[in-house]
Amino acid sequence: GESVGLHLPTLSVQEGDNSIINCAYSNSASDYFIWYKQESGKGPQFIIDIRSNMDKRQGQRVTVLLNKTVKHLSLQIAATQPGDSAVYFCAENIRGNTPLVFGKGTRLSVIA
Amino acid sequence: EAQVTQNPRYLITVTGKKLTVTCSQNMNHEYMSWYRQDPGLGLRQIYYSMNVEVTDKGDVPEGYKVSRKEKRNFPLILESPSPNQTSLYFCASRDTNTDTQYFGPGTRLTVL
Repeated sequence: GESVGLHLPTLSVQEGDNSIINCAYSNSASDYFIWYKQESGKGPQFIIDIRSNMDKRQGQRVTVLLNKTVKHLSLQIAATQPGDSAVYFCAENIRGNTPLVFGKGTRLSVIA
Repeated sequence: EAQVTQNPRYLITVTGKKLTVTCSQNMNHEYMSWYRQDPGLGLRQIYYSMNVEVTDKGDVPEGYKVSRKEKRNFPLILESPSPNQTSLYFCASRDTNTDTQYFGPGTRLTVL
């Protein structure tokens, strides 16, 4: 069936470096994509989203890139900090009331 | 403060003893969901509700029930818990205007 997946289950980066977390999706009908951050012992927290009519969206230190041609989504974190250490999930859905489909997550570890 | 609350946060129980995990949101959202999170499997949707008295099965509904008698509350009911329902459970509430989903802090359930 259609699913959301992640290329890398773990990622370690030096503090101050940029991080890139990747995600592949397979449902070509999906038109809304979200990145969540989940810290240990907490629920997923919304980071940034993007709709399919865009290919890039920027937030504070984070950028999401969407490549619909290859069904690829990425999250870029600039100047990674220890507080960025967490598991990051991508999710997709078709706008409306359809359920979100989550990837399995990538663990980001920031090395001080 | 906009939030989703769950109770209890931690629960250890025995097989067959009925339990209810409560969920409440103060954002007047129509759409609410329950997920379970297991290592290697990510977040999987159990049930969702698009409005009061409207509930639907998600990906893994077996062994669970829900009710939506009022907009703010969406309890998850395990009539006869089994050890394979040991998991971390998240309630979520979604703003259908923006599609932003807010998660509760999680309930860690252990069924012996």
